[in-house]
Amino acid sequence: GESVGLHLPTLSVQEGDNSIINCAYSNSASDYFIWYKQESGKGPQFIIDIRSNMDKRQGQRVTVLLNKTVKHLSLQIAATQPGDSAVYFCAETPAPRRNQGGKLIFGQGTELSVKP
Amino acid sequence: EAGVAQSPRYKIIEKRQSVAFWCNPISGHATLYWYQQILGQGPKLLIQFQNNGVVDDSQLPKDRFSAERLKGVDSTLKIQPAKLEDSAVYLCASSRNPTGDAIYFGEGSWLTVV
Repeated sequence: GESVGLHLPTLSVQEGDNSIINCAYSNSASDYFIWYKQESGKGPQFIIDIRSNMDKRQGQRVTVLLNKTVKHLSLQIAATQPGDSAVYFCAETPAPRRNQGGKLIFGQGTELSVKP
Repeated sequence: EAGVAQSPRYKIIEKRQSVAFWCNPISGHATLYWYQQILGQGPKLLIQFQNNGVVDDSQLPKDRFSAERLKGVDSTLKIQPAKLEDSAVYLCASSRNPTGDAIYFGEGSWLTVV
């Protein structure tokens, strides 16, 4: 079935280094993607989104890259800080949102651990 | 701007009992979602409302789960009777509309069924 998956379940980086979290999606018709950060005991926190008509979008210390050719999404975090430690999920809409109402499908998540 | 509010934050019940969760979305958000998140997994959509109408409830176990959004604002999710496998976090989320807007989540209601 359709799924959004992550290549690595855990990622450990040194404070100050850049982090790259990867995600593969299976539905080429997906047109909207969101990255979420989830800290222990909290709900998913919106980080950044990107639409399928773009291949890159930047936020504060974060960049999302979308490669539709290979159906790959990545989240880059610059100068990773201890506060960035969390589970990161990518989520996709499997069909045009105007028909599906914005339903998101989540992957299992990547746990990012930042070492001081 | 206030975020998505949920209550209760934590609930422990015995199997076969009932439980209800409440959600107040971000002001002005017409679309409301309930997701279930089992420990170690990503959230899974249970039901989606547009105003007070159901858009998608294909993943909702209707024999035991029900949800309503009568006035198009607040929503309640009920489980009756609860099973052990219902132990999870129940996340409410909202977006301004279903086409092209970000979806924001509440902190979740943590359910343990014993």
